[in-house]
Amino acid sequence: DTGVSQDPRHKITKRGQNVTFRCDPISEHNRLYWYRQTLGQGPEFLTYFQNEAQLEKSRLLSDRFSAERPKGSFSTLEIQRTEQGDSAMYLCASSSLAAQETQYFGPGTRLLVL
Amino acid sequence: DAKTTQPTSMDCAEGRAANLPCNHSTISGNEYVYWYRQIHSQGPQYIIHGLKNNETNEMASLIITEDRKSSNLILPHATLRVSAVYYCIVRVAGGTSYGKLTFGQGTILTVHP
Repeated sequence: DTGVSQDPRHKITKRGQNVTFRCDPISEHNRLYWYRQTLGQGPEFLTYFQNEAQLEKSRLLSDRFSAERPKGSFSTLEIQRTEQGDSAMYLCASSSLAAQETQYFGPGTRLLVL
Repeated sequence: DAKTTQPTSMDCAEGRAANLPCNHSTISGNEYVYWYRQIHSQGPQYIIHGLKNNETNEMASLIITEDRKSSNLILPHATLRVSAVYYCIVRVAGGTSYGKLTFGQGTILTVHP
């Protein structure tokens, strides 16, 4: 257990529905990252927060995706109008400058869009 | 971030040391070498990182060549439960750089009884 938690661990939804995932980072970590991993591939970067500011978004993050970190603590990732291609593992990681920015990952949320 | 090259797969006998190579010939002076592993259906687990000196912790040793163009991750006395995909990643760390991780395909390590 790295101290990063994600909820839910699994989500099955129908195409067109909206889903929201939550990530709780290690408490003293001010940086938070979202990655997506499809079957057989390594994780791919989606977006990054420093405190509550979203500082970088990947081209992978289409307009249907939105992420927030309202108080600089937990973060949410919402996918609107889900598509079958959104089926993947969504991973959250956190880091801090004090720990040389080593990223610690949560267990992930596995999404299946039917 | 510099690109890394790793073998697709490796085998190791249980109880022996596993030695996983990684090439990063375009690494810059301010880039660290990180190793993560991922057991099926779990999040990546941090193992170790280093800049230019060899590093050791309770999980593994990291040996970086003097020119920093390659490194080896050594897992002493491999057990069945360390069978996983091992990722070698090069990234800038610290300061104002946020240093997102760029994962490649990694090396599938299989430990045999």
